[in-house]
Amino acid sequence: GQQVMQIPQYQHVQEGEDFTTYCNSSTTLSNIQWYKQRPGGHPVFLIQLVKSGEVKKQKRLTFQFGEAKKNSSLHITATQTTDVGTYFCAGIETGGFKTIFGAGTRLFVKA
Amino acid sequence: DSGVTQTPKHLITATGQRVTLRCSPRSGDLSVYWYQQSLDQGLQFLIQYYNGEERAKGNILERFSAQQFPDLHSELNLSSLELGDSALYFCASSRGQGGSYEQYFGPGTRLTVT
Repeated sequence: GQQVMQIPQYQHVQEGEDFTTYCNSSTTLSNIQWYKQRPGGHPVFLIQLVKSGEVKKQKRLTFQFGEAKKNSSLHITATQTTDVGTYFCAGIETGGFKTIFGAGTRLFVKA
Repeated sequence: DSGVTQTPKHLITATGQRVTLRCSPRSGDLSVYWYQQSLDQGLQFLIQYYNGEERAKGNILERFSAQQFPDLHSELNLSSLELGDSALYFCASSRGQGGSYEQYFGPGTRLTVT
């Protein structure tokens, strides 16, 4: 079945450093979504990517969808303490209904 | 506040027991999803309903069952509970049934099995 792998599992950064998390699917995706879960909170939708090679930006966050629609990345420039939390990618297989979440990357930011 | 409500917030019960978790989706959302999140783990998709019908199934144990009612609220029933069932259970809702709709998550129900 469809699998979505996400790396790294954890990332410790100093405030101001950049951060990137990567998501890889075993199958082609129709679209990919990114969610953020703050410690003690629930996942919150960040963005959706649909087109091959798509790049979207939200302030310091840059999201990319690979040309083959099997991988994606989230890059945060100059991290802040408010960026702490777990970032999940969620892939939807082409023609499918199931949303498969990656295991998440937990980001720790040291002030 | 996502608009998705879940009750109860916390639940402590013993092994072998049965519990019911309840979820009310956002107004206008027809899809409801259930996820299990164990300590420091990812989100395991359990099951999805759309307008009362089961749409997709994940790794949901046979001891678990769910349904979506005509008023669109959903219940997740967990029976013959085991210690390993202790986890945070999230409900999410979305407008449509396909994967292109963003999901809004509720605050979760923390289940502790002792």
